[in-house]
Amino acid sequence: AQSVTQLGSHVSVSEGALVLLRCNYSSSVPPYLFWYVQYPNQGLQLLLKYTTGATLVKGINGFEAEFKKSETSFHLTKPSAHMSDAAEYFCAVVGGGGNKLTFGTGTQLKVEL
Amino acid sequence: DAGVIQSPRHEVTEMGQEVTLRCKPISGHDYLFWYRQTMMRGLELLIYFNNNVPIDDSGMPEDRFSAKMPNASFSTLKIQPSEPRDSAVYFCASRSLADTYTGELFFGEGSRLTVL
Repeated sequence: AQSVTQLGSHVSVSEGALVLLRCNYSSSVPPYLFWYVQYPNQGLQLLLKYTTGATLVKGINGFEAEFKKSETSFHLTKPSAHMSDAAEYFCAVVGGGGNKLTFGTGTQLKVEL
Repeated sequence: DAGVIQSPRHEVTEMGQEVTLRCKPISGHDYLFWYRQTMMRGLELLIYFNNNVPIDDSGMPEDRFSAKMPNASFSTLKIQPSEPRDSAVYFCASRSLADTYTGELFFGEGSRLTVL
C-alpha cells in the first residue's frame, strides 16, 4: 500500500526566506504524488503533482517539488516565502487503483515578518 | 462552475441527534469522495462513489455513519446517532473519470460538525 510521511507538523520561516516542506513516500509501484494546500476555513486545493516525466514539477504560487526516487522523497520548496503562504500543506499519494488519494498528516507553515 | 458545494458549513448538535451533511459535486464529475479531518487522525477517506454507486466504504467508522448518492448532483452523509467523537470537519470532493491517477480532487469548503 502507498503512504506518505511528512516530517515536521509545524514549520516557521521568515518572510523572504526559503520554504522547505518534507515528504517521503512508500510505494511498491511508481508513485503519483501530489501537494495540496489548505487555507484557513477552506477546502484543499492542488498545488502541484508528479505523475511521469520531468522530476522537477512547478506549481502555483511559485512552489515547486522534486521527485527523487533514490531518496523516496517529494519535498516542496519555494525560494522566497510570502505572508500569504501561511497555510497547511499536505503531501498525498495515489493508491487503490487510482481512486484513493492518501494524505500525509500535514505541515502547518507559519510565515513571520 | 460554482465548484463543490457543501452544506451546512457549520453544525452544532447534541449527542444522540441525527446529522445530515450535503454535497453537490461539480457537474460532469464521475467520482465523489467524503473525507473527515480531525487533529488527531488528519484526513481520512470515509467513502467514495463512482457514477452514484458506492465503491469503497471501508473508511466509514461504524454503522452510525451512512452515505448515499441518489443522483449525479447530490450526496448525503448521515450520522445517527451522533457522538462527541464525531466532531470534525467533513469534506466532500469530486473529480472526473479522465483524471484517474493524474488528476486533482476538487474539494468543497467543508462542514464543521460539533457534537456536544
